Amino acid sequence: AQSVAQPEDQVNVAEGNPLTVKCTYSVSGNPYLFWYVQYPNRGLQFLLKYITGDNLVKGSYGFEAEFNKSQTSFHLKKPSALVSDSALYFCAVRDIFSDNNNDMRFGAGTRLTVKP
Amino acid sequence: DGGITQSPKYLFRKEGQNVTLSCEQNLNHDAMYWYRQDPGQGLRLIYYSQIVNDFQKGDIAEGYSVSREKKESFPLTVTSAQKNPTAFYLCASNNPGLGYEQYFGPGTRLTVT
Repeated sequence: AQSVAQPEDQVNVAEGNPLTVKCTYSVSGNPYLFWYVQYPNRGLQFLLKYITGDNLVKGSYGFEAEFNKSQTSFHLKKPSALVSDSALYFCAVRDIFSDNNNDMRFGAGTRLTVKP
Repeated sequence: DGGITQSPKYLFRKEGQNVTLSCEQNLNHDAMYWYRQDPGQGLRLIYYSQIVNDFQKGDIAEGYSVSREKKESFPLTVTSAQKNPTAFYLCASNNPGLGYEQYFGPGTRLTVT
């Protein structure tokens, strides 16, 4: 069974500073990894994913994430935060060899607040 | 949220009443999902359907029921058996095998008093 952990409930950064939202995962095989963002009272929006290939994945709105197999991590990053990046961020994992669509697991979410 | 609609956005019901939440997608996706979101708990899978006329229980299916009579529609009924139904409900869809990312609707906030 796969699982994902987001160790920080809340991340605060100043506008213009770099941001990192942490995610670690556990799978029995190889992972598919995803980041989503949720604005208040809205659904989740897909940001980026890692399937295979380059460990640094670039996504929407200037976000990127780095897959680190040895540390089983997939941290979300952005070089310069915007106030509009303030939202709830979810990491998700799926075992690459699973045939079961039930096997997407989401973290509990990290609330990012970017202050002017 | 494009391509997946959920209605209504806000729903209020009295305890003991069944209520049905609508989810429609025009993305031609085979698979559809219902999640429940509670503060600090992330998303928990209620039911999912990989194909028309087939659906499977997720982690927290008790007190809920679904149907999948059409590819584009996957309604969720919250029954009176659900002990704590007040939550934010999210519908999602995808085409498994094409990257697996799920696309979400805008959600329905259900309040039961």
